[in-house]
Amino acid sequence: DADVTQTPRNRITKTGKRIMLECSQTKGHDRMYWYRQDPGLGLRLIYYSFDVKDINKGEISDGYSVSRQAQAKFSLSLESAIPNQTALYFCATSGPDGYTFGSGTRLTVV
Amino acid sequence: AQRVTQPEKLLSVFKGAPVELKCNYSYSGSPELFWYVQYSRQRLQLLLRHISRESIKGFTADLNKGETSFHLKKPFAQEEDSAMYYCALRRGSTLGRLYFGRGTQLTVWP
Repeated sequence: DADVTQTPRNRITKTGKRIMLECSQTKGHDRMYWYRQDPGLGLRLIYYSFDVKDINKGEISDGYSVSRQAQAKFSLSLESAIPNQTALYFCATSGPDGYTFGSGTRLTVV
Repeated sequence: AQRVTQPEKLLSVFKGAPVELKCNYSYSGSPELFWYVQYSRQRLQLLLRHISRESIKGFTADLNKGETSFHLKKPFAQEEDSAMYYCALRRGSTLGRLYFGRGTQLTVWP
């Protein structure tokens, strides 16, 4: 079983729709992250959480929100999706053994 | 502030040729440097970290504090090395967040 699981793997949604991407982990790590990956821009940090009660904005948080429901769960929401949010989204955790990434969610906003 | 620069978006070499993926960083403290690799349609995986000073899949990287560089090298590239490579920096703390470069897409031709 994967240590960091993201759902869905792929999603196509319409402009203006609300969408939630989910991430769960079995690493037991307190720290979780959401990144988006775009060609030529690498990975950019959207939000991160150092524990259940801690939420921090990353470099590109506008248009996104997150929820840390439990140590193991960290969800990313797009309240009103727009086409330039089309990207590959990665969840990650970090602990003493380093970072572990999920397999990614490919989101297309049409 | 910290910054990670990977000057080459794309790099192509022939099988058996040496390869060097460049990474430069700016940070006033003592950083920890990493290389991550992403094979096609897969999650990011840790390739190397400078503190371990190991060779993984024939790749090595040496931290040069004078030149603030952490270039990734392999003397004889293989086709299976074709992937996206990301250099990343962490500021001191073992639990700190990573700052990524924009990545270099390596293609190894047969």
